[in-house]
Amino acid sequence: EIVLTQSPGTLSLSPGERATLSCRASQTVIRDYLAWFQQKPGQAPKLLIFAASSWATGIPDRFTGSGSGTDFTLTISRLEPDDFAVYYCQQYGSSPHTFGQGTKLEIK
Amino acid sequence: QVQLVQSGGEVKKPGASVKVSCKASGYRFTSYVISWVRQAPGQGLEWMGWISAYNGDIDRAQNFQDRVTMTTDTATTTAYMELRGLRSDDTAVYYCARNRVSYSTSSVGAYWGQGTLVTVSS
Repeated sequence: EIVLTQSPGTLSLSPGERATLSCRASQTVIRDYLAWFQQKPGQAPKLLIFAASSWATGIPDRFTGSGSGTDFTLTISRLEPDDFAVYYCQQYGSSPHTFGQGTKLEIK
Repeated sequence: QVQLVQSGGEVKKPGASVKVSCKASGYRFTSYVISWVRQAPGQGLEWMGWISAYNGDIDRAQNFQDRVTMTTDTATTTAYMELRGLRSDDTAVYYCARNRVSYSTSSVGAYWGQGTLVTVSS
């Protein structure tokens, strides 16, 4: 089973700043099948990025996914108030399709 | 538009079973995989497994091998997840999600249901 470790656990930033979230895998993620989700309280997760760097439908290019192999990053440039939420990475290249434990992005 | 509408919240006693439904619309049901993910209160996401609506193939996380049954009803375009032998730590919101790509099990959930809260309490 691939274990995904996200860091930091909590990130405190101000609107307009840049956020960098990390997701590290215990083994190589096959075909870089790594996704990023955003989740707000009381809502279902929302797909942002798939295949490490491809945007899901309707996602603004302020959200950028990068990385390959075992190290992946989600960068959010110019944070907006609506971006403050919990972010999860998930690998879906091999079973089980594990999730990271999440990074909470909070307003400073 | 793609929609997944899940059944309402349930309260169950320890040892009981629960069956959550996920009614799909807005796409060809039999072309996609449906995944199930759960989230305990205040915790992260936990992948449970998936079922292919086009050939019936199933994959489940090791933690759920013996207790979870996933099925689909193509006539009503509904997916189901049944969890048996409920324990207090099964209290969670259960989500269904449709894969982004058709006819692929190596795809990510792009469309999600609203979630179903299952509470296990004596």
